[in-house]
Amino acid sequence: DVKVTQSSRYLVKRTGEKVFLECVQDMDHENMFWYRQDPGLGLRLIYFSYDVKMKEKGDIPEGYSVSREKKERFSLILESASTNQTSMYLCASSFPPEGAGGYTFGSGTRLTVV
Amino acid sequence: AQSVTQLDSQVPVFEEAPVELRCNYSSSVSVYLFWYVQYPNQGLQLLLKYLSGSTLVKGINGFEAEFNKSQTSFHLRKPSVHISDTAEYFCAVTRNRDDKIIFGKGTRLHILP
Repeated sequence: DVKVTQSSRYLVKRTGEKVFLECVQDMDHENMFWYRQDPGLGLRLIYFSYDVKMKEKGDIPEGYSVSREKKERFSLILESASTNQTSMYLCASSFPPEGAGGYTFGSGTRLTVV
Repeated sequence: AQSVTQLDSQVPVFEEAPVELRCNYSSSVSVYLFWYVQYPNQGLQLLLKYLSGSTLVKGINGFEAEFNKSQTSFHLRKPSVHISDTAEYFCAVTRNRDDKIIFGKGTRLHILP
């Protein structure tokens, strides 16, 4: 069964900490995405990557960075966590062309910043 | 720019009753359309997709959706819902095969006993 695996389901961090959210896919997908999901706001794209060592900003990249050193792994980094980054974070991947097959999502990481 | 509007943020429905979740999109060109489902504390799962061909698309768990180009709609339907259908449903659109997918804000389906 193909999968997108997010390393943590629940995470609690302190304000100012550097936070790493890890995502690994085993489908040999080229494209990977990070979203955050908040009530009433739906899914908002933070960053995406179409290839190793490639990254592009999504709609809300401020306060975040990403790393893609290997094809299967896409990490989201909160440089200095703040309470307004408390959210559900979803990783997704797809094989191009992405519009044809849709995305495969991980189970999500619920991050609380205190 | 494309956009997706899910007209209802919440839909309550009695168990075994039919349900329709509404979705409208804005695009002046051909589109590809998707419905995703998110069960509590889980990620999103693809329910069905329309790429071309028949305008009536059947998905998993007894759901189906109809693409209506003239009304720019892609409503999701199920003839008889179960308690296990309690979830949030997201409509999504992309303009072509190489574009990112744009998601609606979601509709929470509440099944009443």
